[in-house]
Amino acid sequence: AQKITQTQPGMFVQEKEAVTLDCTYDTSDPSYGLFWYKQPSSGEMIFLIYQGSYDQQNATEGRYSLNFQKARKSANLVISASQLGDSAMYFCAMRESWGGNNRLAFGKGNQVVVIP
Amino acid sequence: KAGVTQTPRYLIKTRGQQVTLSCSPISGHRSVSWYQQTPGQGLQFLFEYFSETQRNKGNFPGRFSGRQFSNSRSEMNVSTLELGDSALYLCASSPSGGASETQYFGPGTRLLVL
Repeated sequence: AQKITQTQPGMFVQEKEAVTLDCTYDTSDPSYGLFWYKQPSSGEMIFLIYQGSYDQQNATEGRYSLNFQKARKSANLVISASQLGDSAMYFCAMRESWGGNNRLAFGKGNQVVVIP
Repeated sequence: KAGVTQTPRYLIKTRGQQVTLSCSPISGHRSVSWYQQTPGQGLQFLFEYFSETQRNKGNFPGRFSGRQFSNSRSEMNVSTLELGDSALYLCASSPSGGASETQYFGPGTRLLVL
């Protein structure tokens, strides 16, 4: 069963506007971590933001914030004030803690193109 | 601190050959994980090494193997290459592999099998 679901088609975003990328996840582990990565066309995965399952507050990192709704199993990424350099694929990922599992399970990604 | 480095960045091989990819983690990081990324299957976990031991393994055939050295550098090997092995291979490191730790990725090795 798919653990991370990202279903939005490719998105065009106007420069300086905000964009929200949807991510839903599936786990029965009470302790887990949620991550967002950015992958530009060069291929490198760049870490953006982390949310732990027990964190009470939504994570923020500069222009990135995570809208964490635990009951809905949702962890949407919000990018404020989009820049041309934000054009990339964005991946939501989850790591569960049971059994010493250290693998990241990734979604299929969201393509974002920022237009001037 | 220097980031995760991977060599080579690009490789072209033919079916039946074998290939070895190398990954140097961030200094002080002891956990190294490998992922395969293809357009069809997306990002899939291959295996994780910690203190020279394979700690986790994904659902890949035995043709895919790896190892880790005492300095935490890791290599992965693919034997008897198939066309479907063409992919971006990404390596990631973290301090000890804890669930809350961020994995930092290298630039990847693009493998093309002809």
